[in-house]
Amino acid sequence: DAGVTQSPTHLIKTRGQHVTLRCSPISGHKSVSWYQQVLGQGPQFIFQYYEKEERGRGNFPDRFSARQFPNYSSELNVNALLLGDSALYLCASSFVTGSYEQYFGPGTRLTVT
Amino acid sequence: GESVGLHLPTLSVQEGDNSIINCAYSNSASDYFIWYKQESGKGPQFIIDIRSNMDKRQGQRVTVLLNKTVKHLSLQIAATQPGDSAVYFCAENAAAGGNQFYFGTGTSLTVIP
Repeated sequence: DAGVTQSPTHLIKTRGQHVTLRCSPISGHKSVSWYQQVLGQGPQFIFQYYEKEERGRGNFPDRFSARQFPNYSSELNVNALLLGDSALYLCASSFVTGSYEQYFGPGTRLTVT
Repeated sequence: GESVGLHLPTLSVQEGDNSIINCAYSNSASDYFIWYKQESGKGPQFIIDIRSNMDKRQGQRVTVLLNKTVKHLSLQIAATQPGDSAVYFCAENAAAGGNQFYFGTGTSLTVIP
């Protein structure tokens, strides 16, 4: 079975631009969460979606937004990119929300210049 | 907010020895914990989980211990192998927190052949 997939794998953007990152969860999983991992640190929670509804939001500015589609795939959007947005963006999926196993994708490496 | 921290940022062990990686958490309401392994350039890989109603859980060569009294978590790796070299994170999921996991900064494990 395919694991969590993310696209693109790498991305270079300029300050002020907009970016869209995509995630497909494990088949049968209905919950998708997004994390930002800055080099040398642990992942930081950004959003969680379950059944197309936002179920949680971390401490990130409104420039960050996300959505989940009927097929449970998800997009993370970041507007007005800053240099500090350079990071590995990770998507994780789980079958349901709550205290259940969560599996990560390989991530999208975003570099803002 | 929740705080998850690790006692040691780096750990070096001889191949074949046992490894112990420690983690402290601050939210006594956290009810579910996961240990992840992250290799360079990859997303975190699920290793083992434990719920707050358990003290110990064993997997293949790995054991997780949970001490709720002192809010401490540990990961024991038996007969450590070179392929175990990676950064290890503990992640906590607060009760009723959906799939919002909070990660520590990680411990870098190096296995010396």
